[in-house]
Amino acid sequence: EVQLVESGGGLIPPGRSLRLSCTVSGFTFGEFAMSWFRRAPGKGLEWVGFIRTRPYGGTTEYAASVKGRFSISRDDSKSIAYLQMNSLHAEDTAVYYCSRLHYDGAGSYYFDHWGQGNLVTVSS
Amino acid sequence: DIQMTQSPSSLSASVGDKITITCRASQNIAFYLNWYQHKPGKAPNLLIYAASKLHSGAPSRFSGSGSGTDFTLTISSLQPEDFATYYCLQTYTTPLAFGGGTKLEIK
Repeated sequence: EVQLVESGGGLIPPGRSLRLSCTVSGFTFGEFAMSWFRRAPGKGLEWVGFIRTRPYGGTTEYAASVKGRFSISRDDSKSIAYLQMNSLHAEDTAVYYCSRLHYDGAGSYYFDHWGQGNLVTVSS
Repeated sequence: DIQMTQSPSSLSASVGDKITITCRASQNIAFYLNWYQHKPGKAPNLLIYAASKLHSGAPSRFSGSGSGTDFTLTISSLQPEDFATYYCLQTYTTPLAFGGGTKLEIK
């Protein structure tokens, strides 16, 4: 069974840093690009960024709202994806989700499995 | 950047109704459009990918159509478990973008 579990969230003062982890099981982690999303209170889903697999350089892409403050990394040996969040703002308060990117071999990309989410609250 | 405009933002309907949600992209995204259902405290659930392909496990009452800039999600006969928020997501290019969401409520 495919499972993704986020951890590391909590209450953090503005300006501080926090690292979320996404621990996966049930599939070969190194074969999938991984992405982070968030949903702020009263708002819709927002893409945060993703990391490609090692054969594609393990490169990353980010939303403008987090570029330069957030970074995504992966440890294929541990089947974990990370979201390092620096210089946190109150506006970063959200439930953060990780998801894997599936390619169906016929040109379609989609995020098929997601974690349950982890709440990050940025407040003094 | 591609903007996704989703409508309506909220919808009130009854069990058994047929409903349609639309999503418009600000530029051509071919068929790179997915639909998700999201309930509070739960993981988002993939319903439709590549604009019209039903994801395994999604009920057949869900269907998607469209290509280019205009897309629709249809639920043919609403069931009690369908009341949730629905989002479209374009995966044509980064930055990936969601529509604003449609909150489907019981009438």
